[in-house]
Amino acid sequence: EVQLLESGGGLVQPGGSLRLSCAASGFKFSIYAMTWVRQAPGKGLELVSGISASSTSTYFPDSVRGRFTISRDNSKNTMYLQMNSLRVNDTAVYYCAKALGPTLENSDAFDIWGRGTMVTVSS
Amino acid sequence: IQMTQSPSSLSASVGDRVTITCRASRTISAYVSWYQQKPGKAPKLLIYSASTLQSGVPSRFSGSGSGTDFTLTITSLQPEDFATYYCQQSYNALWTFGQGTKVEI
Repeated sequence: EVQLLESGGGLVQPGGSLRLSCAASGFKFSIYAMTWVRQAPGKGLELVSGISASSTSTYFPDSVRGRFTISRDNSKNTMYLQMNSLRVNDTAVYYCAKALGPTLENSDAFDIWGRGTMVTVSS
Repeated sequence: IQMTQSPSSLSASVGDRVTITCRASRTISAYVSWYQQKPGKAPKLLIYSASTLQSGVPSRFSGSGSGTDFTLTITSLQPEDFATYYCQQSYNALWTFGQGTKVEI
C-alpha cells in the first residue's frame, strides 16, 4: 500500500524547535521530489518546503526561509523537516506530500499525502 | 503569483453542474492543479497540468484553462463531492494555493 506517515508534531513554546519525520512506503521513494505543506486551523494550504529526489535542490517560501531546513534519507525512505525559531503563526497541521516528478522544477502537483501531524506553538 | 478562487463557497444539490474558477495574477501556462479536501482529511489530487485527470478520479471532474484563467467543473455533483476545493499553481517551481471553495449542500 502506498503510504506516507508523518510524526514528530506536538506542543512547543515560541522560539523552540521541532523535527518532523515522514516515512514512505509502497513506492520508490528515492526517485521522487517530496514536499511539506501546512494548514493552519480553519485556513488554506501553504507549501513550506520541498526537496528534490537526490537532495540537490530545496525550496522554502519567505515565511520559513532561514528557520526551516529539509532533508531526506533515501536509504530509510524518510524525509525530515527541522523547524527552528518557531512562531505562534507556525501552528498548523503539517502534511508531507509526494511530487509527481524527481525534481522540484518538473513537479507541478502532489499525488500522495500523509494524514498530517499537528504542530502547536504556544506559551 | 497569487491565485484567486471564486466563489469562496457555494450551495448546490446532488446532480447539479458546478464550476469553480481560479485566476492567476500573471500568466502561468497550464501549471495548475486542483485538490479536494474533506474535513479532517488530507487533500486529494484531482487534476494536474490544468486538464489531466489523476488516475482513479471519476470522469465527472474536469479541468480547463491556460494563461491566467482556470476552471474546475463537476458535471453531476454526487453526495461524496461535498468538500472544499483548492487550486494550486506551480509556475517556475514556486507553488501557491488558492484560498479554497467550499461546496455545501
